[in-house]
Amino acid sequence: SQQGEEDPQALSIQEGENATMNCSYKTSINNLQWYRQNSGRGLVHLILIRSNEREKHSGRLRVTLDTSKKSSSLLITASRAADTASYFCATDEIQAGTALIFGKGTTLSVSS
Amino acid sequence: GAGVSQSPRYKVAKRGQDVALRCDPISGHVSLFWYQQALGQGPEFLTYFQNEAQLDKSGLPSDRFFAERPEGSVSTLKIQRTQQEDSAVYLCASSPGPMWGYTFGSGTRLTVV
Repeated sequence: SQQGEEDPQALSIQEGENATMNCSYKTSINNLQWYRQNSGRGLVHLILIRSNEREKHSGRLRVTLDTSKKSSSLLITASRAADTASYFCATDEIQAGTALIFGKGTTLSVSS
Repeated sequence: GAGVSQSPRYKVAKRGQDVALRCDPISGHVSLFWYQQALGQGPEFLTYFQNEAQLDKSGLPSDRFFAERPEGSVSTLKIQRTQQEDSAVYLCASSPGPMWGYTFGSGTRLTVV
């Protein structure tokens, strides 16, 4: 089963534009994480935001978390062709001893 | 090692054949996870180890799937009597513990013919 739902499913933008992806989830969480996956490769951890945090930055990435709406967003600023990948949100449910549950992902295409 | 290593990278199995997929996690990582990823989908949880203890195997799709981590480091995912619906990428990840991100391997792409 998948906890998170990313929106949109696919996003196409030009280099230099910003890309925003959203994630909604269902249960209470300890933290929410975002991962990137290039075609045919494993997932790469991008950023972790804890349930008591509202916003976090890492380089060109900005993540927000709204626990009252059970939603998160990932903003990539000044996108580059190399940002082309699938992006997944994953939630760590508050119940102890569980593994991350991933959404279905957003496929981002950045054209030069 | 520097990262999570999975082998083989690709595996083609005839229907009914048994397969074993190996995962070498990052040294010292307590937690190890197996996921199954179908084309165009997100990773689906299979099972989770903390050291050698299998804490959760609720995601294993059938009793043909079996995972072990006998010494708390290397893990093997075994699939018996493979079926076509088992075709997928099998991803292994490790983590130092709760509240940390996961480091994923490149996966094993299993094709059952």
